[in-house]
Amino acid sequence: GENVEQHPSTLSVQEGDSAVIKCTYSDSASNYFPWYKQELGKRPQLIIDIRSNVGEKKDQRIAVTLNKTAKHFSLHITETQPEDSAVYFCAASSRGSQGNLIFGKGTKLSVKP
Amino acid sequence: DTEVTQTPKHLVMGMTNKKSLKCEQHMGHRAMYWYKQKAKKPPELMFVYSYEKLSINESVPSRFSPECPNSSLLNLHLHALQPEDSALYLCASSQEGPHSSYNSPLHFGNGTRLTVT
Repeated sequence: GENVEQHPSTLSVQEGDSAVIKCTYSDSASNYFPWYKQELGKRPQLIIDIRSNVGEKKDQRIAVTLNKTAKHFSLHITETQPEDSAVYFCAASSRGSQGNLIFGKGTKLSVKP
Repeated sequence: DTEVTQTPKHLVMGMTNKKSLKCEQHMGHRAMYWYKQKAKKPPELMFVYSYEKLSINESVPSRFSPECPNSSLLNLHLHALQPEDSALYLCASSQEGPHSSYNSPLHFGNGTRLTVT
């Protein structure tokens, strides 16, 4: 079955710096890669997702890149702000198995003002 | 504001109690999910309903019993729980079900924080 590894487990940056979180997956059939942000005591919220037919997707300060050959994808946050502090989860699933969305273990991002 | 609403927000129950968690969505989504999340861990899938039918049960103990009365509602009935079942229970929905050829994003509710004493 699919296995998703996420690194680092914790990340601390200064406000204004960039943050990068990396994930690798094992199942070459995986074709959908969402990223969720979960603030303390709140629900996971989808912040960006990418499908296997594209290599990069951007939404304002957030971007995701996908390397299908190497089976890894990354989240990039530029110009970080204190409100970006949260736990970020990557995930992967293959066509027809949304119920089998496999999450990484999460990265706790702290942005220091 | 969340488009998936869960009640109650908090629940404390004894090991002999029977209680229910409720979830509602009005986005016309065809699939609804229950996840369990322990502190500092990712969500773990419990059940998936697609078109009101149970399509995935991730070997969850029978003390958890899901129910989907209609396409907008999802319940989780709890009975004889153990202290280790204390967790955040998240409901989610998606436009398409788990066996669709298209992966649609999950929308999570705010969860029910369950404590079993």
